[in-house]
Amino acid sequence: EVQVVESGGGLVQPGGSLRLSCAASGFAFSRYSMNWVRQAPGKGLEWVSYIRSSGSPVYYADSVKGRFTISRDNAKNLLFLQMNSLRAEDTAVYYCARDLPMNAFDVWGPGTMVTVSS
Amino acid sequence: QSVLTQPPSVSAAPGQKVTISCSGSSSNIGNNYVSWYQHLPGTAPKLLIYENNKRPSGIPDRFSGSKSGTSATLGITGLQTGDEADYYCATWDSSLSVGVFGGGTKLTVL
Repeated sequence: EVQVVESGGGLVQPGGSLRLSCAASGFAFSRYSMNWVRQAPGKGLEWVSYIRSSGSPVYYADSVKGRFTISRDNAKNLLFLQMNSLRAEDTAVYYCARDLPMNAFDVWGPGTMVTVSS
Repeated sequence: QSVLTQPPSVSAAPGQKVTISCSGSSSNIGNNYVSWYQHLPGTAPKLLIYENNKRPSGIPDRFSGSKSGTSATLGITGLQTGDEADYYCATWDSSLSVGVFGGGTKLTVL
């Protein structure tokens, strides 16, 4: 079965750091670009970051640029999102999503909740 | 404020048809493919339409997509109560080099 599963969410204080992981299975992970998408409570979906299958290039939303870093380990079928200098407005469910070519996300994980609060 | 503009809500009766619009600009919808997603609270979003008008395997033909210029439209026919959800359009913005989502449209099946 093709699937991705996120982990690593939790409660963190403002200014803190957290590393999210996304484990992929059932498909050739190294051949696909990947994304992180988030949804804050009561808000819509927000694209966060993209990484090409090879590891570069990478792109970020302006709201996280300079604070978040996307990376991947193709040997272990893992996608990561290193989140530093976290703010209250980063509180959201974070989804890992497989990238179809041409701007579409066809496989999504169940999401992991990140709460930034003191 | 989203780069792509969707109506906050739409509603229709069971069995009827509804359309959801998504308006952008030449740097996003005008020059890139559009995709559409269905999102039920507490679940993972589901891809409904990709490359403007293609349906993934398993998506019924009640769902359709179209694009004209800098706008795109999702159509849903034969509405069912199970279609009640939030719907989002998405694309790439070539000028900003970022992915963009619409603000989302809540569909109510009366």
